Amino acid sequence: DIQMTQSPSSLSASIGDRVTITCRASQDISNSLAWFQQKPGKAPKSLIYSASSLQSAVPSKFSGSGSGTDFTLTISSLQPEDFATYYCQQYNSYPRTFGQGTKVEIK
Amino acid sequence: QVQLVESGGGVVQPGRSLRLSCAASGFTFRNYGMHWVRQAPGKGLEWMAVIWHDGSNKYYADSVKGRFTMSRDNSKNTLYLQMNSLRAEDTAVYYCARDRGSWSTATDYWGQGTLVTVSS
Repeated sequence: DIQMTQSPSSLSASIGDRVTITCRASQDISNSLAWFQQKPGKAPKSLIYSASSLQSAVPSKFSGSGSGTDFTLTISSLQPEDFATYYCQQYNSYPRTFGQGTKVEIK
Repeated sequence: QVQLVESGGGVVQPGRSLRLSCAASGFTFRNYGMHWVRQAPGKGLEWMAVIWHDGSNKYYADSVKGRFTMSRDNSKNTLYLQMNSLRAEDTAVYYCARDRGSWSTATDYWGQGTLVTVSS
């Protein structure tokens, strides 16, 4: 199975900060990488697919990059509604696997 | 608008069975692959299974292979997850999610989830 490792596991940031979350795959997954946002008690929301393509209606403050084994999710200017847990997932091979999550908290 | 509504969760004893449903609306269900993903209380997301748009292929996580069976009825716009031989570690919120395509790539829309509690 492909292991997905996110860093950091949690971070504290202020409104307006630029935030970057990293996801590393244990083997090459090309650009088969998705990012999700989850708020407490809610279903995950799809943000990005193919490593850098925004899902429809996702604001452009979210961006993704990377290919192969190393990927990043960037939030350009953190807003109150962005405080949540973020997950990466690879869909290059079965079983699909998620990272352990990165919790973004208010500083 | 795309809507996915899971149902069928509840409290069940270890070793028993349960069937979850996911009712889809707002899109042409038969054209899309579908996934099940679960989340144990306080834990991260765990991918469970995928079924292609026509039901011709299914893939499962090792943790449920041989115990869980995914199926779909395209005439009823409904996805199913038959869960047998349930264990305490299957306790989780179960989400259905639509694939972006007909087979198995990234997901886009998710349901609100249904809670399954396995306990005696």
